Amino acid sequence: EAQVTQNPRYLITVTGKKLTVTCSQNMNHEYMSWYRQDPGLGLRQIYYSMNVEVTDKGDVPEGYKVSRKEKRNFPLILESPSPNQTSLYFCASRNSFAGGRSSYNEQFFGPGTRLTVL
Amino acid sequence: RKEVEQDPGPFNVPEGATVAFNCTYSNSASQSFFWYRQDCRKEPKLLMSVYSSGNEDGRFTAQLNRASQYISLLIRDSKLSDSATYLCVVNSPFQEYGNKLVFGAGTILRVKS
Repeated sequence: EAQVTQNPRYLITVTGKKLTVTCSQNMNHEYMSWYRQDPGLGLRQIYYSMNVEVTDKGDVPEGYKVSRKEKRNFPLILESPSPNQTSLYFCASRNSFAGGRSSYNEQFFGPGTRLTVL
Repeated sequence: RKEVEQDPGPFNVPEGATVAFNCTYSNSASQSFFWYRQDCRKEPKLLMSVYSSGNEDGRFTAQLNRASQYISLLIRDSKLSDSATYLCVVNSPFQEYGNKLVFGAGTILRVKS
């Protein structure tokens, strides 16, 4: 079954304790990204990756890190979580393209990770 | 100004009603448009793409007005199972790497029996 998986699904932690949320997709997609979703603000992109070893900041990257060492995995790292990072996080993947403007392909989301930072 | 704006609702409608959602976008260079559906506490899923000529998928009709930078979604004969948040999604072209998707904050639909 084609899917994007995330772990953990729920996490309660304390300020300053480093954490990693894993993301994996089995669709051989080049493009992966992380979003956070907050009430009234919608989905905001944190980081994205066009392919292995290629990552870039999205709209709200402060306080987050990512890596893309393998095509299927795109972990999100919070080195020193703070309460304002309490949110619902989604990983997503889709096909990419060779460069320049191109038609979009459907984006698939993971089930979400609900993070609470105390 | 947000790049994609939607009326947050909620829209409370009886079963069988017709309901319409609107969305405006600010980037005139946007090329692709979509509606996603998100059930409570679940991940968003693609509902339908929106084409310039308008398109229909069963009870759902999507329209695009490029001149006004406006997208709509019409749901006919609403079902209880249509209750969800509907996200308007627009691509925002980069200069070098193609496009990213920009999500509206969503419109809440509640269908009641």
